[in-house]
Amino acid sequence: GDSVTQMEGPVTLSEEAFLTINCTYTATGYPSLFWYVQYPGEGLQLLLKATKADDKGSNKGFEATYRKETTSFHLEKGSVQVSDSAVYFCALSGNTGRRALTFGSGTRLQVQP
Amino acid sequence: DAGITQSPRYKITETGRQVTLMCHQTWSHSYMFWYRQDLGHGLRLIYYSAAADITDKGEVPDGYVVSRSKTENFPLTLESATRSQTSVYFCASSESQAGANVLTFGAGSRLTVL
Repeated sequence: GDSVTQMEGPVTLSEEAFLTINCTYTATGYPSLFWYVQYPGEGLQLLLKATKADDKGSNKGFEATYRKETTSFHLEKGSVQVSDSAVYFCALSGNTGRRALTFGSGTRLQVQP
Repeated sequence: DAGITQSPRYKITETGRQVTLMCHQTWSHSYMFWYRQDLGHGLRLIYYSAAADITDKGEVPDGYVVSRSKTENFPLTLESATRSQTSVYFCASSESQAGANVLTFGAGSRLTVL
C-alpha cells in the first residue's frame, strides 16, 4: 500500500539557517504530494502541494519539487524564522478513489533566535 | 462559524464509557475524514465518508463507529473507550471535484481515557 517516510526530528536550527526535511514515498501510479504544517495546539494546514512529476510547490518561502525518479518530495526553505517552529507532515493522495491522504510521521522543527 | 469545527476540544473519560466526538463543516464538502494523531505514527485514518450515508473503514477502525446522516456532520463514537484510544483526533473535509485532493482540518479533539 501507499506509504510516506520522513526524516526523524526534532530538527533544531538557528534563525536564518537553511532547512531541508526529507520525504520519500511509495505509491502506485502518480500520486499528488503535499506538505502540511501544524503549529502548537492547532490542526494541520496545507503548506504546499504538487500534482505531477517535476512540479514545484511553493508557499511562504518553502519549496518542494515532485521527483518521480527518486520518489521524493523534500521540503526546503532558504532562511528559517522562529515563527517557522512547528511540526511538518509530508503526505500523498493515491489513486484509490477514497481521497484520503496518507501521512508521514511528522518532523518537528525548532528554530532558535 | 464558517469552516470545520470539532467538539469537545478536550475530553477525559474512563475505560468502558461511550464517547462521541463531533465534527461539523459549513462548506457542504462531500468527503469527510477522521484521523488520530499519535507520537511516532503521524496521522492514521480511522474512517472516511464520500457523502451522506456512505462511510468506509480506514487503517485503524476497530473500536470506532461513525455515521453521516447529514452532509455537514460526521460524528465519531468510541462505544467502549480503552486506554489505547487516548489520542488527538482530527476531522477533515474535502471537495469532490477531481484534481489535487486538499484536506481542510479541524482544530482537533484531545481525548484522554483513564
